[in-house]
Amino acid sequence: DAGVIQSPRHEVTEMGQEVTLRCKPISGHNSLFWYRQTMMRGLELLIYFNNNVPIDDSGMPEDRFSAKMPNASFSTLKIQPSEPRDSAVYFCASSLTGTAEKLFFGSGTQLSVL
Amino acid sequence: AQSVTQLDSQVPVFEEAPVELRCNYSSSVSVYLFWYVQYPNQGLQLLLKYLSGSTLVKGINGFEAEFNKSQTSFHLRKPSVHISDTAEYFCAVSEDDMRFGAGTRLTVKP
Repeated sequence: DAGVIQSPRHEVTEMGQEVTLRCKPISGHNSLFWYRQTMMRGLELLIYFNNNVPIDDSGMPEDRFSAKMPNASFSTLKIQPSEPRDSAVYFCASSLTGTAEKLFFGSGTQLSVL
Repeated sequence: AQSVTQLDSQVPVFEEAPVELRCNYSSSVSVYLFWYVQYPNQGLQLLLKYLSGSTLVKGINGFEAEFNKSQTSFHLRKPSVHISDTAEYFCAVSEDDMRFGAGTRLTVKP
């Protein structure tokens, strides 16, 4: 298996633009997590899905952020409109059956909002 | 909700010295505890995990951790570090979801 695949690897955009980050979890994994990593706040859980259903989105910063998982093999994290303070590395992770299991992380998307 | 505190943001050590990275957690119920490692420009990788059973857990790359319920700690140890162990280490606790500590940057010097 190729592991968790995130795209793009790097994204540079201007303030106010829409940004879409993509994630393909490992085949057969039922849980998917989106994290944001910054120097100031460390690794923050934004949202996680179980069987394509959002279970906890309390970590989503504000209404500008939205996440979807239309099927078991694809998820998106969208920021609209983007702001400079959204600059961070965004990680997607998946696990077999939830939070007691090992998380497999993607390589992350480095987002820079100018 | 559960939370994790990593007591040291940076730990510099010399090669072949022992190291301990400290982690304390808080939770109202039984928890699962993890240590992950992050190398530059990469995602996190699991080092070891504690779900139940023996309180001493052995992981990859010679690392081990001990679960101490009375002290609510899960410190990571390695008896002799290598240059290649230089990385960021994250302690995590899982209850309703997976929460990570702020990370400890381990720098191994020659």
